[in-house]
Amino acid sequence: EVQLLESGGGLMQPGGSLRLSCAASGFTLSNYAMSWVRQAPGEGLEWVSTISKSDGRPYYADSVKGRFTISRDTSKNTLFLQMSSLRLEDTAVYYCAKSLHYSDSFINFDYWGQGTLVTVSS
Amino acid sequence: AIRITQSPSSLSASTGDRVTFTCRASQGIANYLAWYQQKPGKAPKLLIYAASTLQSGVPSRFSGSGYGTDFTLTVSCLQSEDFATYFCQQYYVYPLTFGGGTKVEIK
Repeated sequence: EVQLLESGGGLMQPGGSLRLSCAASGFTLSNYAMSWVRQAPGEGLEWVSTISKSDGRPYYADSVKGRFTISRDTSKNTLFLQMSSLRLEDTAVYYCAKSLHYSDSFINFDYWGQGTLVTVSS
Repeated sequence: AIRITQSPSSLSASTGDRVTFTCRASQGIANYLAWYQQKPGKAPKLLIYAASTLQSGVPSRFSGSGYGTDFTLTVSCLQSEDFATYFCQQYYVYPLTFGGGTKVEIK
């Protein structure tokens, strides 16, 4: 059974750093593109970042480019999101999500974690 | 970035109703569109991908159509468990983008 378990969320001050983890089980993480998607309280979904399956190339939303870094540890079957220079507007539930397809060309999400809440507040 | 506009933003319906909502992309995305259902406090669930392909395990009362810029999701006979918010997502090009959602409420 595929499972994604996020951790690492919490309350942070603006300008701070945080690392989110997503432990995958039931599949081999490196066989699929993996992504982070966030949802601010009461708002819609916002794609944050994807790491490609084939070469680990990262893609980022403009809103986080230069501040967030996506990575994976294939030996631990775990996805990460290193977040720095946090802003108030980064407050959201962060989901990790698995791509449905083997191909890096089709990034939609068939499995999602339960989400981890990141709150940025002074 | 490709903008995705969903309409309506909310609708009220009754069990047994047929409901349709739409997504419009700001430029052509072929059929690179997915639909998700989200219930409060839960992660989204994939319903449809490639605009019209039903994800495994999703009831056949859900259907999708469209190509290019205009897409629809139809629920043929609304069930109690279908009251939720629905999002569409384009995956034609980065940045991946979602629509703002359609909330389906009980009339």
